[in-house]
Formats: sequence, structure tokens, C-alpha cells
Amino acid sequence: EDQVTQSPEALRLQEGESSSLNCSYTVSGLRGLFWYRQDPGKGPEFLFTLYSAGEEKEKERLKATLTKKESFLHITAPKPEDSATYLCAVRPGDSNYQLIWGAGTKLIIKP
Amino acid sequence: GAVVSQHPSWVICKSGTSVKIECRSLDFQATTMFWYRQFPKQSLMLMATSNEGSKATYEQGVEKDKFLINHASLTLSTLTVTSAHPEDSSFYICSAPGGGATDTQYFGPGTRLTVL
Repeated sequence: EDQVTQSPEALRLQEGESSSLNCSYTVSGLRGLFWYRQDPGKGPEFLFTLYSAGEEKEKERLKATLTKKESFLHITAPKPEDSATYLCAVRPGDSNYQLIWGAGTKLIIKP
Repeated sequence: GAVVSQHPSWVICKSGTSVKIECRSLDFQATTMFWYRQFPKQSLMLMATSNEGSKATYEQGVEKDKFLINHASLTLSTLTVTSAHPEDSSFYICSAPGGGATDTQYFGPGTRLTVL
């Protein structure tokens, strides 16, 4: 069964304290792994798409990496404005664009 | 590029009334759109896949007659919640693949529905 698990559920960091969020997945034929950021009361905002093991992508303080079993979202020297829920999703090989979603990690950055 | 809009952003209605939510792809065409609902502190739940010019595909447990979907053009899909009840109160979000060869889905800002 296709499944996505994110950990931790919540993470509190001090401003400037780097850390990583985890997204573990089991899927038949990965066609893509996606990271989104969601602020309260808003729709998810696209961050990254990763397609194959070893791939990395960066955007400002965020860096996403992918292995055959999991993906990490590394946050370097975070700022309070990075506080949000980070969602991970995968697209199985046989899906019509449908995504399997993780439950999300709520990140809180304290000044 | 790849902007998706929703209207309205929030709506309050009385129990028993119907509410229509619009989802538009502003700068690309979308033959497929997705409708999700999200309860507080929970992840996204796919309700249905909207296909331009054909019937929507509903996920198991989603009532087709209650959540009517119309995808009449390549840039517009609508979700109508018929005879809404308080338990239908939720955050409804649409998404669409961004066009071209991309697999990435882009999301609208969401619609907060409150049924009194």
C-alpha cells in the first residue's frame, strides 16, 4: 500500500537553529516527491519536486534531498517567517496526477 | 506562472442552502483539477478529480449528489455543496497540474465554509 509518513509531527526551534524534517515513503514506482509549505488558513504553496534518488534542490534557507526511501527538508538558520506546516506528497507511478499525502510537520521558529 | 484562484475565500451559510465554490487556473489550462477538504490540524483529503468535459471521479465515501462538480472549461471547475449542514463546514482547496510536462500541482488559496 502506498504510504507517506512525516516526522516529527511538530518541531520548535530557536531562530538560527538548523534542523531537518523527514518524509518516509513506500510507493509503487515513484513519479515524483513534492514538498509544500502551508500557512494557517491558506492553500499549500509549492516548494520542490524531486524525481530520483540523489537529487537535491535548494531555495533560500531550504534544501530538499531524496533517497529511495525518504526525503529530507533541511532548514538552515531559520527565521520566524519560516514557521508553517510543511507537507510532503508522492505521486505513484500509476496515478493520474493524484498524490499521496503525509500528515505534515508543524514548524515553529521562536525569535 | 501556474496561479490558481478560488472564490469566495470564505462563506457563511444557513443549514439547507447550497454553496458554489469556483476554482480557476489563471495562466494555464487545466484539463484536470482536484478538490480537497481539510479539517483543522489535519492533512489534505482528496474528495474528487474534476475532468474537463466529463464526469468527475469521486473518492470513496464522498457523496456525489452532495458535492456536485462541474468542469465546464479548461480554466474553471466549480464545487457545489448542496443542502449544506454544519458537518460540511471545512476548508475546501482546489489544485491543478501546472501544465506542460510538469507533474507539480498548484493550489488555490482555499475557501473556508461555515454552515450555521
